[in-house]
Amino acid sequence: DAGVIQSPRHEVTEMGQEVTLRCKPISGHNSLFWYRQTMMRGLELLIYFNNNVPIDDSGMPEDRFSAKMPNASFSTLKIQPSEPRDSAVYFCASNFQYNEQFFGPGTRLTVL
Amino acid sequence: DQQVKQNSPSLSVQEGRISILNCDYTNSMFDYFLWYKKYPAEGPTFLISISSIKDKNEDGRFTVFLNKSAKHLSLHIVPSQPGDSAVYFCAASEVRAGNMLTFGGGTRLMVKP
Repeated sequence: DAGVIQSPRHEVTEMGQEVTLRCKPISGHNSLFWYRQTMMRGLELLIYFNNNVPIDDSGMPEDRFSAKMPNASFSTLKIQPSEPRDSAVYFCASNFQYNEQFFGPGTRLTVL
Repeated sequence: DQQVKQNSPSLSVQEGRISILNCDYTNSMFDYFLWYKKYPAEGPTFLISISSIKDKNEDGRFTVFLNKSAKHLSLHIVPSQPGDSAVYFCAASEVRAGNMLTFGGGTRLMVKP
């Protein structure tokens, strides 16, 4: 099992540019989560999908952030336009039912 | 308002001794608690969990204790090993409300040889 796959691992972009982060959950898992980790706020949940449907997006900071899950094996988190304060490590995680979540290696985003 | 708090940002322990990491929560509706371990440049990995119907769960060198009346849980690592050096996050969920976890801010454990 390859685990949760995220790409890219590192992203450096300039303020105002669009950023797209990608995630492939573990096969058979029916829930997918996007988290953001910063020094100030720790690890915070942004959005949660169950069976490809967004269940809770209350953690999405503002309209510049959007997430999609077109099928069970792929999800994207998009930031448009990006700002320096979006710099963080973004994690994707997946699980089946209410079992423990498995995390990907993260994408380190730097917005200049 | 932080519903899950880890008040110690770091902890240093000698190899072979016990490491005790603490976590407090405020939401009395939480009924499932987990500990995750994170190495640099990696995602968090699940370590151990406990349901609110229990007060202790043990897995090898790792034991989690839950004190519901105090809204407090702790992770004990005995004996501590240098490879245990990592950031430890506690997390909590309310199973009826869905699959979401609320994480604490993490505690960096350093085990010295």
